[in-house]
Amino acid sequence: GENVEQHPSTLSVQEGDSAVIKCTYSDSASNYFPWYKQELGKRPQLIIDIRSNVGEKKDQRIAVTLNKTAKHFSLHITETQPEDSAVYFCAARSNAGNMLTFGGGTRLMVKP
Amino acid sequence: SAVISQKPSRDICQRGTSLTIQCQVDSQVTMMFWYRQQPGQSLTLIATANQGSEATYESGFVIDKFPISRPNLTFSTLTVSNMSPEDSSIYLCSATGPNTEAFFGQGTRLTVV
Repeated sequence: GENVEQHPSTLSVQEGDSAVIKCTYSDSASNYFPWYKQELGKRPQLIIDIRSNVGEKKDQRIAVTLNKTAKHFSLHITETQPEDSAVYFCAARSNAGNMLTFGGGTRLMVKP
Repeated sequence: SAVISQKPSRDICQRGTSLTIQCQVDSQVTMMFWYRQQPGQSLTLIATANQGSEATYESGFVIDKFPISRPNLTFSTLTVSNMSPEDSSIYLCSATGPNTEAFFGQGTRLTVV
């Protein structure tokens, strides 16, 4: 089955700096890669996703890049703000089962 | 985007008892899933809820412990049976349609005493 690894597990940045979170996946059949933000006590919320036919996608301060050959994808948050502080999860999905396999999560702390 | 209502939001249960968690989606979806999230950990897939047939369980999860129903496209239940303190966790349902993002219920925080 699919295996998704995520790094780092914790990340502390100063407000205004950029944050980068990286994930690798094992199943070359995976073709959909979402990123979720989970605040304490709340459900995971989708913040951005990318499909395997695209190399990069951007939405305001958030961008995701995908390298299919190397089987890794990254989340980039620019101009971080304290409200970006949360746990971020990457995930991968293939058409075979349609289920998401999640990375271990990254706790992002943005210091004002 | 779909809205998923999950209940109960939390419960404290005695060991040896069972709890059934319900999940209702407000629109047609194709796939429904159940995840477990231990405190401070990632989401682990328990099973895929199949409409009108037995759920598909992931390694480490069995039907006797986590029976799942999905009588129609928009509703599913997960039962945590014969609970022990090790079952204390957050349980989340998720739903997705063809080529759409996955949505999550608000989660059920279960404490077994």
